[in-house]
Amino acid sequence: DIQMTQSPSSLSASVGDRVTITCQASQDISNHLNWFQQKPGKAPKLLIYDASSLDTGVPSRFSGSGSGTDFTFTITSLQPEDFATYYCQHYENVPPDVTFGPGTKVDFK
Amino acid sequence: QVQLVQSGAEVKRPGSSVKISCKASGDTFGNFAFSWVRQAPGQGLEWMGGIIPLFGTTAYAQKFRGRITITTDDSKTTAYMELSSLRSEDTALYFCTKGIIMPHLLHWGQGTLVSVS
Repeated sequence: DIQMTQSPSSLSASVGDRVTITCQASQDISNHLNWFQQKPGKAPKLLIYDASSLDTGVPSRFSGSGSGTDFTFTITSLQPEDFATYYCQHYENVPPDVTFGPGTKVDFK
Repeated sequence: QVQLVQSGAEVKRPGSSVKISCKASGDTFGNFAFSWVRQAPGQGLEWMGGIIPLFGTTAYAQKFRGRITITTDDSKTTAYMELSSLRSEDTALYFCTKGIIMPHLLHWGQGTLVSVS
């Protein structure tokens, strides 16, 4: 089974900061990696798919990069509405399978 | 506008079963898939399995095989997730999702809280 790790597990930041989260897979997963944002009590929201593609309507301050085993998620200028938990998610199509990273909580400094 | 509306909260005894529904509206034409994801209190996200309604094809995460059944109704716009042999560790918020394939978790329901005690 492929394991996903994220770092850091939490971080404190201020509005306007650049925030970077990394996600590592235990083996090569090509670009089969998505990023989600989840706010307390709400369903997750897809932000980035296939490692680097921005989902429809997602602000351009969010970006993703990487392939193989190492991936990066960046918020270029943190906004008040961005304080949330972020999850990376690996997927396989055949057979279908999904593995989430443990999450990174971004809160106020 | 795709919308997924799930059934209400459940309280169950250990050893019993729970069946949660998820009704999709909006874009429900063509080929798509439902998946179920759960989140224990204060914990991360866990994919449980999914179904392609057009073909009735299912896939389940290894952890849940033997305990989980995902189905749809005849209209193929409502998905059901039944989890049996419940234990306290199954206490969680259960989400249904919809996408073009099972791992594509684009649209999410509001979540259904299942408490086992």
